[in-house]
Amino acid sequence: QVQLVQSGAEVEKPGASVKVSCRASGYTFTGNYMHWVRQAPGQGLEWMGRINPNSGDTNYAQRFQGRVTMTRDTSISTAYMELSRLTSDDTAVYYCALGYRSSEGSFDFWGQGTLVTVSS
Amino acid sequence: EKVMTQSPATLSVSPGERAALSCRASQTVSTNLAWYQQKPGQAPRLLIYDASTRATGIPLRFSGSGSGTEFTLTISSLQSEDFAVYYCQQYNKWPFTFGGGTKVEIK
Repeated sequence: QVQLVQSGAEVEKPGASVKVSCRASGYTFTGNYMHWVRQAPGQGLEWMGRINPNSGDTNYAQRFQGRVTMTRDTSISTAYMELSRLTSDDTAVYYCALGYRSSEGSFDFWGQGTLVTVSS
Repeated sequence: EKVMTQSPATLSVSPGERAALSCRASQTVSTNLAWYQQKPGQAPRLLIYDASTRATGIPLRFSGSGSGTEFTLTISSLQSEDFAVYYCQQYNKWPFTFGGGTKVEIK
């Protein structure tokens, strides 16, 4: 069965960077885009971008362009999302997600979420 | 960017009643529209994709309709476990965007 297991909670200072991992299992890692979605406390869902694990090609939402980097390591079926120049507005739960049985761009499998807290 | 607008923000419904949630897109998204349910402390759960296709394991009481810019999620008879926040999302063109959510609460 498809599983996405994310790294643990992080606390970072303003201006720092954070890197969240998402280890995939139960399917062919290079066969599906991996997406990243975040949710600030009490707020809605926000799509950050996606990576094609096969080619490494990425698409980022404009508001994160220049601050976000999505990468992958196919040898260990793991995707990464790094966000730099953190501010308190980046405090959120970060999810990896993919469409496996559903259409690409919709997400029927999600990681458990990683809470990133930005605080001085 | 395609802006998704959901209404109402909050819907008060009694168990057993029918609920209809609306989602409007600022530009056409064809049928590239998904609906999710989210409960506190949990990741979202996919209910509907391609506007009207139920995801695996989703009960028949959930149905989706619409195309272009107007979409509806209908819950035919609300069960206790259905009280949650619901989001629509377009994946017609990136950046993929979510609506602001509709909270379905017990009346």
